[in-house]
Amino acid sequence: GIQVEQSPPDLILQEGANSTLRCNFSDSVNNLQWFHQNPWGQLINLFYIPSGTKQNGRLSATTVATERYSLLYISSSQTTDSGVYFCAWKWAGNMLTFGGGTRLMVKP
Amino acid sequence: NAGVTQTPKFRVLKTGQSMTLLCAQDMNHEYMYWYRQDPGMGLRLIHYSVGEGTTAKGEVPDGYNVSRLKKQNFLLGLESAAPSQTSVYFCASSYSLYGYTFGSGTRLTVV
Repeated sequence: GIQVEQSPPDLILQEGANSTLRCNFSDSVNNLQWFHQNPWGQLINLFYIPSGTKQNGRLSATTVATERYSLLYISSSQTTDSGVYFCAWKWAGNMLTFGGGTRLMVKP
Repeated sequence: NAGVTQTPKFRVLKTGQSMTLLCAQDMNHEYMYWYRQDPGMGLRLIHYSVGEGTTAKGEVPDGYNVSRLKKQNFLLGLESAAPSQTSVYFCASSYSLYGYTFGSGTRLTVV
């Protein structure tokens, strides 16, 4: 199956800073999602982004399927952005294969 | 609207004991899933269901069984718990490529 790798594994930011998280795939994909797991463990959908760019407030995501990567941008980071960010490849029947995640800590 | 509800939230089992985790959704979703998350890792699919009365194996099905007798419920069973099954278990449901909702998780420790 397709392998999903995320980088960096850990990231520490000062509040207000910007960051870019990367997700690489071992093969081209046409179904990609980004999730945020908050410090209490709850998983929240951020983006369904098979290709192109989407924005939601301070977050935006870009997927270039033919080059096998996706990027998640966080601008003007806040302490509430802390947690783990996962990308996941969605295959038949809506099943997800997750990357290992990027652990983000935003310091006040 | 509760979304996806998992019970229990925490459980400690002794090796060899059995238990059932319950997942209930009130969104009329066809698809339901069980994932496990080990420390420092992403989620891995255990079993899934594409509709009432159907189940299928995911990436890591060994040691687990599931049932979906009612559309709104998806049960995950451990017949003989092992320490390797210590993990956080997440249930999820979806109706389409977009609508993926997770429960809050069950933290299971097997001693």
